[in-house]
Amino acid sequence: EIVLTQSPGTLSLSPGERATLSCRASQSVSSSYLAWYQQKPGQAPRLLIYGASSRATGIPDRFSGSGSGTDFTLTISRLEPEDFAVYYCQQYGSSPSFGGGTKVEIK
Amino acid sequence: EVQLVESGGGLIQPGGSLRLSCAASGFTVSSNYMSWVRQAPGKGLEWVSVIYSGGSTYYADSVKGRFTISRDNSKNTLYLQMNSLRAEDTAVYYCARESNLPSGWAFDIWGQGTMVTVSS
Repeated sequence: EIVLTQSPGTLSLSPGERATLSCRASQSVSSSYLAWYQQKPGQAPRLLIYGASSRATGIPDRFSGSGSGTDFTLTISRLEPEDFAVYYCQQYGSSPSFGGGTKVEIK
Repeated sequence: EVQLVESGGGLIQPGGSLRLSCAASGFTVSSNYMSWVRQAPGKGLEWVSVIYSGGSTYYADSVKGRFTISRDNSKNTLYLQMNSLRAEDTAVYYCARESNLPSGWAFDIWGQGTMVTVSS
């Protein structure tokens, strides 16, 4: 089973700042099988990034993904008020798994 | 509109059974990979089960032997039969479509979730 570890657990930033979220896998993950999701309180997750770096339909270009192998990154270039949420990375291995999440909160 | 709507959650005693439903619109369930993902209160996301378009099914170890995923093609609906429920099964259950997008796989469509509470 591939374990995904996200860091930091919480990121306290102000609107307009840059957010960098990390996702580390316990073993190599194909980039085709790495995705990022955003979840706001009381809502279902929403797909942001798939294939490690491709934005899903309707996702603003301030969101970008990068990485390969065991280290992946989600970057939000300039935080908007609606971006404060929890972010999860996810992989497809022998079975899908999610990271523990990074909460991006308003500083 | 492409949409998933879950139903069937509720309060159930330990050891009991419950069946969740996930009605799809705007696409065909049987032509897609469909999963259940759950989220315990205040916790992260946990994949539960998948049914492939060909009918093969797979489960997380935590639910294997107790949960059964299925679909009704005539109703375009996905199901999760949950037996021998435990307190640790308490969670919001989401159904989600897995799609092979241009450069990778992902859960691209999610339902709004249905809450299952296992408690005496």
